[in-house]
Amino acid sequence: DAGVTQSPTHLIKTRGQHVTLRCSPISGHKSVSWYQQVLGQGPQFIFQYYEKEERGRGNFPDRFSARQFPNYSSELNVNALLLGDSALYLCASTSRTGANVLTFGAGSRLTVL
Amino acid sequence: RKEVEQDPGPFNVPEGATVAFNCTYSNSASQSFFWYRQDCRKEPKLLMSVYSSGNEDGRFTAQLNRASQYISLLIRDSKLSDSATYLCVELVPGSGYALNFGKGTSLLVTP
Repeated sequence: DAGVTQSPTHLIKTRGQHVTLRCSPISGHKSVSWYQQVLGQGPQFIFQYYEKEERGRGNFPDRFSARQFPNYSSELNVNALLLGDSALYLCASTSRTGANVLTFGAGSRLTVL
Repeated sequence: RKEVEQDPGPFNVPEGATVAFNCTYSNSASQSFFWYRQDCRKEPKLLMSVYSSGNEDGRFTAQLNRASQYISLLIRDSKLSDSATYLCVELVPGSGYALNFGKGTSLLVTP
């Protein structure tokens, strides 16, 4: 079975640009969460979606948005990129049975120049 | 924001040693905790859940002390492959599935 898949794996953008990151959850998982991990820090919670609805949002500016599609895949969008947005963006999926089965994808590494 | 605090290390230990990490949390309402392992430039992976009664999985033992609000991870008979960053994680109360990660503790096991 495929795990959580994310694309692209690496990308480089310049300040002010927009980026879209994609995530496909494990088959059967209906919940997707997004995390940002800056170098040297632990991951920080950005969003959680369940059944296409936003169920939670972390302390991130409105430049960050996300959505979940009918097939439970998800997109994370970041507008007006800043240098500080350079990070590893992690997507995690889970069934509704508990956070102890949260499975992360390999991440999308974004560099903003 | 309520914090999860960890000693960043690095902890350098020889193979076969026993090493312990501690982590403190500030939100007394937190109920669920986990240890995740993260290899360099890889995604975090669940190592084990943490229960008040203690949780042992092979060479790994995790413990939760609610009175003092700290979590511990003990690794016995360290292997070279244990070298990684260990992330202490709490489930944010009332949030659903939002996880609050510590910054991680770096472990290097040497021959």
